[in-house]
Amino acid sequence: DVKVTQSSRYLVKRTGEKVFLECVQDMDHENMFWYRQDPGLGLRLIYFSYDVKMKEKGDIPEGYSVSREKKERFSLILESASTNQTSMYLCASSDQRTLGAPPLHFGNGTRLTVT
Amino acid sequence: GDSVTQMEGPVTLSEEAFLTINCTYTATGYPSLFWYVQYPGEGLQLLLKATKADDKGSNKGFEATYRKETTSFHLEKGSVQVSDSAVYFCALSPNTGGFKTIFGAGTRLFVKA
Repeated sequence: DVKVTQSSRYLVKRTGEKVFLECVQDMDHENMFWYRQDPGLGLRLIYFSYDVKMKEKGDIPEGYSVSREKKERFSLILESASTNQTSMYLCASSDQRTLGAPPLHFGNGTRLTVT
Repeated sequence: GDSVTQMEGPVTLSEEAFLTINCTYTATGYPSLFWYVQYPGEGLQLLLKATKADDKGSNKGFEATYRKETTSFHLEKGSVQVSDSAVYFCALSPNTGGFKTIFGAGTRLFVKA
C-alpha cells in the first residue's frame, strides 16, 4: 500500500527554536510537497521538490527551508520558529511528470504548536 | 490569479440525503479540477478529477462535472452515509505549466444517523 509517513503527529516547540519536520515516501515518487493547512484557508504550498536536491518555492516560503538529499525523504525546516507558524503541516507526493500535476498521496499531518 | 471558492460549511445532513457542495473557480486557460477528501485525523485523498470541459469525474458514489460556461465543479452524491463525514476540498491545477495546485478552503460535512 502506498505510504507517505510524517515522523511526528504532534510537536510543541518554543519560539526561536529550529524545527525539523520529516517526511518519507515509499513509492519512489519524484515529486514531493510541503503544505500548511489552516482553518478557512485550505492548503497553501510552502515548497515543492521535483528531484533530489531540487526545490521550488511555493506561495508561502518565508521562514521555511527544505532539504531533499534522498529521493524518499523531504524535510521541512523552520529556521527560527515563531507563533504564527503554529499550524497543521502536510507532506504529499506524486509520480506524475505532467506539468500542473497535483499531489496524489498525503501523510497524516504534523500539528505543530509554537509557544 | 487563479483561485477556488467553495461553499462555507459545515454542512449537516441526515443519512441518505442528497449532497451538493458548490465549487467555482477562476483561472486562465483550461485547468484540471479535483475534489479531495480528508477524513478525521488523516491526510487528504484524491476523490475524483476532471481534466477538460464537460468531463465528469466519479468515485465512491460521488460525482462532479467540469462546467466551463459557469466555471464550476460542484460535488454531488445521491445518498450520503455517516462514513462520508469529512472535509472536502475543491482544487485546480493550471495547465499552463508549473506545479501549484490551488485548494479551496474546504467544506466540512457532518452526516447524522
